[in-house]
Amino acid sequence: GENVEQHPSTLSVQEGDSAVIKCTYSDSASNYFPWYKQELGKRPQLIIDIRSNVGEKKDQRIAVTLNKTAKHFSLHITETQPEDSAVYFCAASMLAVSGTDKLIFGTGTRLQVFP
Amino acid sequence: GAVVSQHPSWVICKSGTSVKIECRSLDFQATTMFWYRQFPKQSLMLMATSNEGSKATYEQGVEKDKFLINHASLTLSTLTVTSAHPEDSSFYICSATRAGGPHEQYFGPGTRLTVT
Repeated sequence: GENVEQHPSTLSVQEGDSAVIKCTYSDSASNYFPWYKQELGKRPQLIIDIRSNVGEKKDQRIAVTLNKTAKHFSLHITETQPEDSAVYFCAASMLAVSGTDKLIFGTGTRLQVFP
Repeated sequence: GAVVSQHPSWVICKSGTSVKIECRSLDFQATTMFWYRQFPKQSLMLMATSNEGSKATYEQGVEKDKFLINHASLTLSTLTVTSAHPEDSSFYICSATRAGGPHEQYFGPGTRLTVT
C-alpha cells in the first residue's frame, strides 16, 4: 500500500525566515496531496492542497510543489510568524479498493518559529 | 459550510466498558466518513472507512470486533470501542467527504478517550 515519508521531524526557524518540509510517497497512482496544520489537541486544518496535474500552487505565504516523477512534494512557508508554530502533516490520497479515496498521512513535522 | 462535529469531546471510562463516539456532518451529506486514531506526538492513523448503508472497511491490524462502526445515515457515523483497555486511550478523529465532491476531507474536532 501507500507509504508517505516526511522530513524533518522537527524544524526551528527565526521569525521571518522560510521553512520547507518535504514528503515522498510510494504509490504512483496517488493524485491528491493535501497539507494540514494541527495545533495541540485540535483537529487538522487543511492549509493547501495540490492535485497531480499541477506542479506548483501558491496561497499568500504558503506554496506547495509536486514532482510526480520523483514522487516528492514539498511545503514552503515564507516570512514565518510565531503563529505558524504547529505540527504539519502531509498526506497522499489513493483510490481504495472500496472506490473511496483515503488519505495516508506522513509522520508530521513540528515547526517552531522563534520571535 | 462543511462542518463536522464529534461527541463527546472527551470521555473517561473504566477498563472493560464500551464507549460510543458520534461523528456528524452538520451542513452537508457525507457519503463517506473516516475514523482515525492519533497517539500523543504521532501521526493520524486511518482505522476504517465507512460508507453510508454498508459495512465499514477496516485497515490492516484494526480489530473490527473491537471497533464497531455504524454509518446509518448520510450525516452520522458512530465508533464504539468495545471492552476498552488502557492501550485504547487515544485521540479519535473522524472526517467526512461531501457527497459528489472529490478528495477533500473535513475533520471533526476529535474525541479524547482515557481508559482507566
